Amino acid sequence: AQKITQTQPGMFVQEKEAVTLDCTYDTSDPSYGLFWYKQPSSGEMIFLIYQGSYDQQNATEGRYSLNFQKARKSANLVISASQLGDSAMYFCAMREGLDSSYKLIFGSGTRLLVRP
Amino acid sequence: NAGVTQTPKFRVLKTGQSMTLLCAQDMNHEYMYWYRQDPGMGLRLIHYSVGEGTTAKGEVPDGYNVSRLKKQNFLLGLESAAPSQTSVYFCASSYRPSGLTATGQYFGPGTRLTVL
Repeated sequence: AQKITQTQPGMFVQEKEAVTLDCTYDTSDPSYGLFWYKQPSSGEMIFLIYQGSYDQQNATEGRYSLNFQKARKSANLVISASQLGDSAMYFCAMREGLDSSYKLIFGSGTRLLVRP
Repeated sequence: NAGVTQTPKFRVLKTGQSMTLLCAQDMNHEYMYWYRQDPGMGLRLIHYSVGEGTTAKGEVPDGYNVSRLKKQNFLLGLESAAPSQTSVYFCASSYRPSGLTATGQYFGPGTRLTVL
């Protein structure tokens, strides 16, 4: 079974509009962390935002926010005021439990294209 | 600081050839990881290391070996390359996490490997 599911292979958004990228996860462990990474066409992986399972508030980092709905097991990334430079692949990832190896499980990604 | 570097950036191998990918980090990170990225599948963990002299298997370890003789270096070896190992390989490193901290993994630029 998929641990991390990203159901949107590709998305378009108009410049300056907001966009939501979906991510659902599957775990029975009460302790986990959720991450979003950006991969531009140049290929590097850039860490964007993190949400811990016990965090009371949704994480925010500049124009990025994480819409964390624990009961639904979803951790959607919201990008406000989209910019052309936001065009990239976006990956959701999860770290389960207090596993000392700190392994990440990645989703298959969503390709976002920002239109001018 | 160079961060995480990977050598080489590109490589073409013939089936049955061997090679070693080098990952180096200058952030004094304890943990290091090797992932492969295939189209439509996100990143999958091959092997990882939680400290100098230690290695462990990830999700897709078959056909690969690793070594962590020095804290700053993590080597990924292919003893007998197969076309199924054509992929983009990413190295990552992180501090030793404490509980559910927001410690992100820092990624290298990737190595594009083609096996003919």
